[in-house]
Amino acid sequence: QAVLTQPSSLSASPGASASLTCTLRSDINVGPYSIYWYQQKPGSPPHYLLKYKSHSDSQQGSGVPSRFSGSKDASANAGILLISGLQSEDEADYYCLIWHNNAWVFGGGTKLTVL
Amino acid sequence: QVQLQPWGAGLLKPSETLSLTCAGYAGSFSGYYWSWIRQPPGKGLEWIGEINHSGSTNYSPSLKSRVTISVDTPKNQFSLKLTSVTAADTAVYYCARGTYYYDSSGFLRRDPIDQWGQGTLVAVSS
Repeated sequence: QAVLTQPSSLSASPGASASLTCTLRSDINVGPYSIYWYQQKPGSPPHYLLKYKSHSDSQQGSGVPSRFSGSKDASANAGILLISGLQSEDEADYYCLIWHNNAWVFGGGTKLTVL
Repeated sequence: QVQLQPWGAGLLKPSETLSLTCAGYAGSFSGYYWSWIRQPPGKGLEWIGEINHSGSTNYSPSLKSRVTISVDTPKNQFSLKLTSVTAADTAVYYCARGTYYYDSSGFLRRDPIDQWGQGTLVAVSS
């Protein structure tokens, strides 16, 4: 089982909110982990969006709009990227990342379609 | 904006060694970890490994047996070697900058990979 699991795709309408999940393998408790989120558009490298560990330990990437925010769902053992007020430019692939056992681990990515 | 540009051979034959170097960072090299990350065409991101200015490395367990990352701090460059390549190693290879901090107990804590280069496509084909 993969360390991080993301749904492969998600669709949402302009102006709506989208909640992207990053579920940790069941033997890894999300609580102590910082979850990092990246946005990647075709032909470009990933762009760092934000970090979320807790309400008091979070960080927005440089220039990232506040409509991108992070949270956790402890009951689901998952990190969440919430994008509010969806815009067409938000259509992209989104990846989560954690530091686990002295290695960086990426989730498989979610393709967000805004339509 | 950090300017990181990987360069090296773009076409390899199976069993050859992939060699890439990343350069272009004009700031202080010593305050960061420097990562290699790859992305096969149409697929997701895979972290390969990282190094800091003093040569301390961490590698992906799945690639560790074939990977060597080295650093040339005076030149602000770091390099990747991946041996015995196959078609499965065909990917866009990115170099990127990672951050860290020391917590209140003095432990080093990793923080985001915050800047990425443009990437270079390396294809493996006979």
